[in-house]
Amino acid sequence: GAGVSQSPSNKVTEKGKDVELRCDPISGHTALYWYRQSLGQGLEFLIYFQGNSAPDKSGLPSDRFSAERTGGSVSTLTIQRTQQEDSAVYLCASSSLGLAGWTDTQYFGPGTRLTVL
Amino acid sequence: AQSVTQPDIHITVSEGASLELRCNYSYGATPYLFWYVQSPGQGLQLLLKYFSGDTLVQGIKGFEAEFKRSQSSFNLRKPSVHWSDAAEYFCAAFYNQGGKLIFGQGTELSVKP
Repeated sequence: GAGVSQSPSNKVTEKGKDVELRCDPISGHTALYWYRQSLGQGLEFLIYFQGNSAPDKSGLPSDRFSAERTGGSVSTLTIQRTQQEDSAVYLCASSSLGLAGWTDTQYFGPGTRLTVL
Repeated sequence: AQSVTQPDIHITVSEGASLELRCNYSYGATPYLFWYVQSPGQGLQLLLKYFSGDTLVQGIKGFEAEFKRSQSSFNLRKPSVHWSDAAEYFCAAFYNQGGKLIFGQGTELSVKP
């Protein structure tokens, strides 16, 4: 597609429920990233995919958070047993591989605003 | 530890005035550096980036940034601000470790008529 798309744009859920957030990267981009933006914490890295594998999951805040990527394209971020502190905007970005394996510029989607009541 | 610092949380400038937003990075090696802008309710839009070469980088919307290795800085500038520039601006750095961007805290820009 023309840009990174994310769905839903807004999600309101009750504490304890599971949620799935979807990211559709720019066509042909092999790298995909999830970030979280919240008032107290700013922009935080969550996880990075290169193809379908995730070489860096260091930013996932707890084992309630997981992500997968299939077919080297769409990615889903799942939050189980949501808590109020999970309320944030979840941003997805994608990039293409640059020289020598370095990833290049990251292009961001519009985000999913998650509200946990 | 790798970090990016934006010392100014909020800046107000008059329309037509010049603008400089500060950004400092910390690490031994020079990272790749970026400036993004975020309007309310929107995602992050790339303004410009520095990888290597010329230390003065031109971006979109009339913005430019200058990389200064001696000061570990990558300040964003615009000679004449427009009301539509009001937004939040993020400086970010990419190091060759896993591909993640390290973001500064952001600077909110207000433009007064």
